[in-house]
Amino acid sequence: DSGVTQTPKHLITATGQRVTLRCSPRSGDLSVYWYQQSLDQGLQFLIQYYNGEERAKGNILERFSAQQFPDLHSELNLSSLELGDSALYFCASSLRDLEGEQFFGPGTRLTVL
Amino acid sequence: AQSVAQPEDQVNVAEGNPLTVKCTYSVSGNPYLFWYVQYPNRGLQFLLKYITGDNLVKGSYGFEAEFNKSQTSFHLKKPSALVSDSALYFCAAVYSSASKIIFGSGTRLSIRP
Repeated sequence: DSGVTQTPKHLITATGQRVTLRCSPRSGDLSVYWYQQSLDQGLQFLIQYYNGEERAKGNILERFSAQQFPDLHSELNLSSLELGDSALYFCASSLRDLEGEQFFGPGTRLTVL
Repeated sequence: AQSVAQPEDQVNVAEGNPLTVKCTYSVSGNPYLFWYVQYPNRGLQFLLKYITGDNLVKGSYGFEAEFNKSQTSFHLKKPSALVSDSALYFCAAVYSSASKIIFGSGTRLSIRP
């Protein structure tokens, strides 16, 4: 158990809809990261938040957004969903910044029908 | 452009034999290098990292990695493979100057009894 929790475990929705994925980091970790893992794209870094502020941005689509709240939990919002957004979404946390080891949650499997 | 390559999709090794999983990275900047492992239906787990110093880095579960600057490689090794090492292995590079983390495409390691 990494100490990182993600909800929900599975999510099935329709094209055009909007969903919110939630992540609670390990106690004491200040950074939260979001990743998308799919068969065709591999593991893609989406975005990092550090102590409530956006720190680094990867291949995150404009339809996607994230935020980190004062209690350091984070949410990833995916809107106008397309079939191609079906993937496993991981959250990870680290003590400080990108140079530290990351602890990954179990993931949320999103299926867009 | 920054990139990470794992040239082998799959590596097959007999139990008890040494194993190597290859990783090369682009030289743009001096990245921090990581190895992570992913077991089925789980998030990634940190194995080891290289920031600076000794070119041979020791990590979890008996794994080690050798940093070679001239070949821009960071290969993962283990002297004696176990069946339980069978999993998906990811190499990653953090380019601090660009605030970016890039993962390789992953190598599936299969250890036969």
